[in-house]
Amino acid sequence: QKEVEQNSGPLSVPEGAIASLNCTYSDRGSQSFFWYRQYSGKSPELIMFIYSNGDKEDGRFTAQLNKASQYVSLLIRDSQPSDSATYLCAVIKGSQGNLIFGKGTKLSVKP
Amino acid sequence: EPEVTQTPSHQVTQMGQEVILRCVPISNHLYFYWYRQILGQKVEFLVSFYNNEISEKSEIFDDQFSVERPDGSNFTLKIRSTKLEDSAMYFCASSEGDSYEQYFGPGTRLTVT
Repeated sequence: QKEVEQNSGPLSVPEGAIASLNCTYSDRGSQSFFWYRQYSGKSPELIMFIYSNGDKEDGRFTAQLNKASQYVSLLIRDSQPSDSATYLCAVIKGSQGNLIFGKGTKLSVKP
Repeated sequence: EPEVTQTPSHQVTQMGQEVILRCVPISNHLYFYWYRQILGQKVEFLVSFYNNEISEKSEIFDDQFSVERPDGSNFTLKIRSTKLEDSAMYFCASSEGDSYEQYFGPGTRLTVT
């Protein structure tokens, strides 16, 4: 079983719609979860982090965590063409904080 | 806003040569990391560094790799004898704590010919 799994996409949504990105992880002891955005040829950019069960909102972004189901998601409201990128889910593994990444979901927002 | 910086942005080297990739982490951060991303693949952890020593390393981080914090600001990754399969983007990241958010630098694209 892969440690962090994401649908590779591409996920295509119209401008203004809600984009829903999903991620599952295998280590039940994981405590910290992150969403990064990566534009082609660029480095991962942190957009959300969540440590507790439930929802966390930051502007147009909402992260949702369900530790019992080992599931974390990212909702992007009012999607814009500039949101078109690959979204990486990452989970901390180990005692020194090293991140384990999923392969990422490619999001395309159509004008 | 503080950011992680990396130099050079692109490094081309011949197989068997040594390369040093440089990073300047965010100034008040205590944990430093190197990751790599082979084209079209996922980001992979290489090594973490805290309190002037390696904290954890992955299977990828074999004897040809080393890290160093030569002064109070720089953090370097050395590859002693590069192989074709070392061609990748190498990202440096830093964080305030071991479970805290990590901020990535812009990366160094390493091309081994």
